Amino acid sequence: DGGITQSPKYLFRKEGQNVTLSCEQNLNHDAMYWYRQDPGQGLRLIYYSQIVNDFQKGDIAEGYSVSREKKESFPLTVTSAQKNPTAFYLCASNRLNSGNTIYFGEGSWLTVV
Amino acid sequence: GENVEQHPSTLSVQEGDSAVIKCTYSDSASNYFPWYKQELGKRPQLIIDIRSNVGEKKDQRIAVTLNKTAKHFSLHITETQPEDSAVYFCAAWRSLSNFGNEKLTFGTGTRLTIIP
Repeated sequence: DGGITQSPKYLFRKEGQNVTLSCEQNLNHDAMYWYRQDPGQGLRLIYYSQIVNDFQKGDIAEGYSVSREKKESFPLTVTSAQKNPTAFYLCASNRLNSGNTIYFGEGSWLTVV
Repeated sequence: GENVEQHPSTLSVQEGDSAVIKCTYSDSASNYFPWYKQELGKRPQLIIDIRSNVGEKKDQRIAVTLNKTAKHFSLHITETQPEDSAVYFCAAWRSLSNFGNEKLTFGTGTRLTIIP
């Protein structure tokens, strides 16, 4: 888990603004994921990527965008089109074909003010 | 796609007693089932996992059982302690692509409270 770094830990956004959450991993993992967690709720998949320069939509991709230009980096942009962005955002990664175990970063709290 | 149901949503047990959390999944092709523990405001931590070729796995006070025919799996915590209080999530994973992985689908979580 210590090899996945998310920043910032806390972020405040004004309505209408785009914000980008950073996720970096030094575990040499192939796949990376973004999950959203609302208070008292479960985890919902936003986007995931298995290889560089490729990514797929998860269950709640609307209003979000991602890029995977480098293996170790998978930033998430929360756009103004996301109407209820206040949530806890978790980045995760795992190694393909090696047990499937998925590890999480420490998370980023996003609040719209 | 995969659908994972988890029960109960809340569970309170006396310290020292056992706790059981149950999950069912819909996709018979799912083959990996991890359990995560999440403390308030923190990231989920993997506590135990099981693969579809195994029926039971145990790690000290924690055990997981899998019934592939019925498509359900359960987490068992024995001799519960106050530090076991947290939210527990089950998940199911199906390998489909040529890369050998697909997304992990989570249950809705169980808030476990250990009463001293």
